Amino acid sequence: TQLLEQSPQFLSIQEGENLTVYCNSSSVFSSLQWYRQEPGEGPVLLVTVVTGGEVKKLKRLTFQFGDARKDSSLHITAAQPGDTGLYLCAGGAGAGSYQLTFGKGTKLSVIP
Amino acid sequence: DAGVIQSPRHEVTEMGQEVTLRCKPISGHDYLFWYRQTMMRGLELLIYFNNNVPIDDSGMPEDRFSAKMPNASFSTLKIQPSEPRDSAVYFCASSLLSYNEQFFGPGTRLTVL
Repeated sequence: TQLLEQSPQFLSIQEGENLTVYCNSSSVFSSLQWYRQEPGEGPVLLVTVVTGGEVKKLKRLTFQFGDARKDSSLHITAAQPGDTGLYLCAGGAGAGSYQLTFGKGTKLSVIP
Repeated sequence: DAGVIQSPRHEVTEMGQEVTLRCKPISGHDYLFWYRQTMMRGLELLIYFNNNVPIDDSGMPEDRFSAKMPNASFSTLKIQPSEPRDSAVYFCASSLLSYNEQFFGPGTRLTVL
């Protein structure tokens, strides 16, 4: 069974601060996705990374896939209250499987 | 274009009752997934369908859970009989064959008393 561990579980920061959250596994994934979930809603895809070492930027968010495709990080620069939410990473097994394995998430609160 | 639609949004029932959750995927999507989310276990895949056919139901916790997809635009998840430990938020998601992004519905919050 492939497992994804996310850390920290909870994070509370002031507006304007930078932060990094992590997603780690002992398994190799063909792709890694990051989703953000707001209260009362379903997760929404932010990014997909598929190549080891890949870095993608989405405005103030920077996503990195580890060289060995076992881990990933999400860095937010100058956090804003609108960044508040649950950040979930999800690994794709590939090889024709369309299943995703989700981590339990990092709950981020950005205080104005 | 409408996203994934789930109903009801909230369901409160008593132990032993039958519960049916409903999902309408995005038109044209050929994969449909049912998930359960709890604080303790996070987001767990229960079952998924491809072109209305169940592909993997190994995440279905017990025989009390069943899922159907009679056509491309409708799926149900049924729990009979329901138990308090089934209380969770249940999500439906859909995706296209060639693109692995999953589009989630707003979820159904189930409370079994």
